[in-house]
Amino acid sequence: DTEVTQTPKHLVMGMTNKKSLKCEQHMGHRAMYWYKQKAKKPPELMFVYSYEKLSINESVPSRFSPECPNSSLLNLHLHALQPEDSALYLCASSRGTGLGTQYFGPGTRLLVL
Amino acid sequence: GNSVTQMEGPVTLSEEAFLTINCTYTATGYPSLFWYVQYPGEGLQLLLKATKADDKGSNKGFEATYRKETTSFHLEKGSVQVSDSAVYFCALSGIPNAGGTSYGKLTFGQGTILTVHP
Repeated sequence: DTEVTQTPKHLVMGMTNKKSLKCEQHMGHRAMYWYKQKAKKPPELMFVYSYEKLSINESVPSRFSPECPNSSLLNLHLHALQPEDSALYLCASSRGTGLGTQYFGPGTRLLVL
Repeated sequence: GNSVTQMEGPVTLSEEAFLTINCTYTATGYPSLFWYVQYPGEGLQLLLKATKADDKGSNKGFEATYRKETTSFHLEKGSVQVSDSAVYFCALSGIPNAGGTSYGKLTFGQGTILTVHP
């Protein structure tokens, strides 16, 4: 099974709201990733977790705050977002950073009003 | 640094036509190569992959061969269906190095929109 699940599927939030995106995998993968994808563009890497520790932050604004509570879960906490943050947010996992294929979830489509 | 150049789209074909989407790459060492597909309103799905030179990845009638001499990984399908309409991304995974500047990061091409008409 190569399934990565994400909730919610859709999210609408105001610029003063706080919300969280959730991602889960049960493949025993030790690397998990957050990507942002704008329409008609490839995904852009935001964060990488390796063995539940943040290993890469691609200069993402602090209004995005990742969290990895355990090896199966990855959260992305959102606060004071801007309309330009509206996008599809994708989670992915792999055996390890640089090891194995990255498997993607279905994404959360976020609209910031 | 690593880069992937993908055939510009959109590509429009009739059902049962032959498909080729070109992909070339620049990378040090021997990266792994991937094709991902994104259907409308969905996330990315792995379509196929190849991890070393001359490997052929295949899935659902799609094929791509890792050509080190031409640094290419072109996607082909002999007979496309309407259900193949999607965006196709070529990607490479760099080789982690001891200096820590590469961790196997995925580098994507710009994506090719494929539309297949009945």
